[in-house]
Amino acid sequence: EIVLTQSPGTLSLSPGERVTLSCRASQSVRSNYLAWYQQKPGQAPRLLIYGASSRATGIPDRFSGSGAGTDFTLTISGLEPEDFAVYYCQQYDRSPRTFGQGTKVEIK
Amino acid sequence: EVLLVASGGDLVQPGRSLRLSCAASGFSLGDHDMHWVRQAPGKGLEWVSGITWNTVTTDYADSVKGRFTISTDNARTSLYLQMNSLRTEDTALYYCAKSHSPFDAFHLWGQGTMVTVSS
Repeated sequence: EIVLTQSPGTLSLSPGERVTLSCRASQSVRSNYLAWYQQKPGQAPRLLIYGASSRATGIPDRFSGSGAGTDFTLTISGLEPEDFAVYYCQQYDRSPRTFGQGTKVEIK
Repeated sequence: EVLLVASGGDLVQPGRSLRLSCAASGFSLGDHDMHWVRQAPGKGLEWVSGITWNTVTTDYADSVKGRFTISTDNARTSLYLQMNSLRTEDTALYYCAKSHSPFDAFHLWGQGTMVTVSS
């Protein structure tokens, strides 16, 4: 099983700040089969990034993904009020399709 | 509108069974791989099970293997999760989700249905 470790656990930031979230895999994720999701309280997760760096439909360009192999990053170039949420990475290279434990981005 | 609506969640006793449903609108399940993902209260996301677009291949997390069964109806409009021998640790909000292929992210999620296993 590929274990995904996200860091940090919580980030306290102000609107407008740049955010960098990390996701590290215990084994190489082939073909960059790595996704990022956003989840707000009481809502289902929403796909932000797939294939490590491709934005999903309707996702603003302030969200970007990068990385390969075992190290992946989600960057939000300037936090908007609606971006305060929990972010999860997921690998879909191998079964089981594991998720990271999540990073909470909260308002400072 | 492309939509997934999950239903069937309930309060059940340990050892009992429950079947969850996920209705698809705006697309055919026959064109997509489908999955169930769960989230225990206050916890993160856990993939539970998946089925390929042609229903040939099913896959399960070790934690539910042998107890849960994923399937679709013949009309390919609904996804199901038959859950047997339920345990207290199965308590969670269960989401259905669709991907475009076996090696793809989950592009669309349903709103979730709550399963509580308690005596």
